[in-house]
Amino acid sequence: GDSVTQMEGPVTLSEEAFLTINCTYTATGYPSLFWYVQYPGEGLQLLLKATKADDKGSNKGFEATYRKETTSFHLEKGSVQVSDSAVYFCALSVRNGYSGGGADGLTFGKGTHLIIQP
Amino acid sequence: KAGVTQTPRYLIKTRGQQVTLSCSPISGHRSVSWYQQTPGQGLQFLFEYFSETQRNKGNFPGRFSGRQFSNSRSEMNVSTLELGDSALYLCASTRTPGETQYFGPGTRLLVL
Repeated sequence: GDSVTQMEGPVTLSEEAFLTINCTYTATGYPSLFWYVQYPGEGLQLLLKATKADDKGSNKGFEATYRKETTSFHLEKGSVQVSDSAVYFCALSVRNGYSGGGADGLTFGKGTHLIIQP
Repeated sequence: KAGVTQTPRYLIKTRGQQVTLSCSPISGHRSVSWYQQTPGQGLQFLFEYFSETQRNKGNFPGRFSGRQFSNSRSEMNVSTLELGDSALYLCASTRTPGETQYFGPGTRLLVL
């Protein structure tokens, strides 16, 4: 079945450091890829997405490129801030042919706990 | 535009009881999905509803059920609660299936 693998952490960085969180996936068909972020005590917020190979998603200084050849969607940010401390989830959805199209539920990685120290 | 709302936010139940959680999607969104989040299993897909019909279902026992109303609001029910059902239950909505999902704040359920 479909799966997402990401480093679980915790990942601890100093403010203004460069961030990379690795994400690789296995999927049947052609998935859409997502990064969601969860702050303490809250639900998930969509951070960025990419729907086809070589697409780059970006938001709030974060970027990720859909690499079909390496089945990866690594999250990067050039200079992290204390406010970026959160849990980051990589996820995929695969469009199916049921009921005329539409995706199955999202498949998530285990989440990466990011801690940014001042 | 208001986001996805879930009620209640916190709930404490005892083993054997049943519970009903509610989710109101973003205005204009007609698809609602439910997920369970636990420290051990992470985020797992429960089911998805669209136009009052269940479209997809994850790998959960029949104790977990749901429904959707004509105004797109959705409820999920868990019967005969077990300790392992303690989790954060998240609801997500989309305009139609296959679009990007937007999540609510979740309902935290504790089973004693």
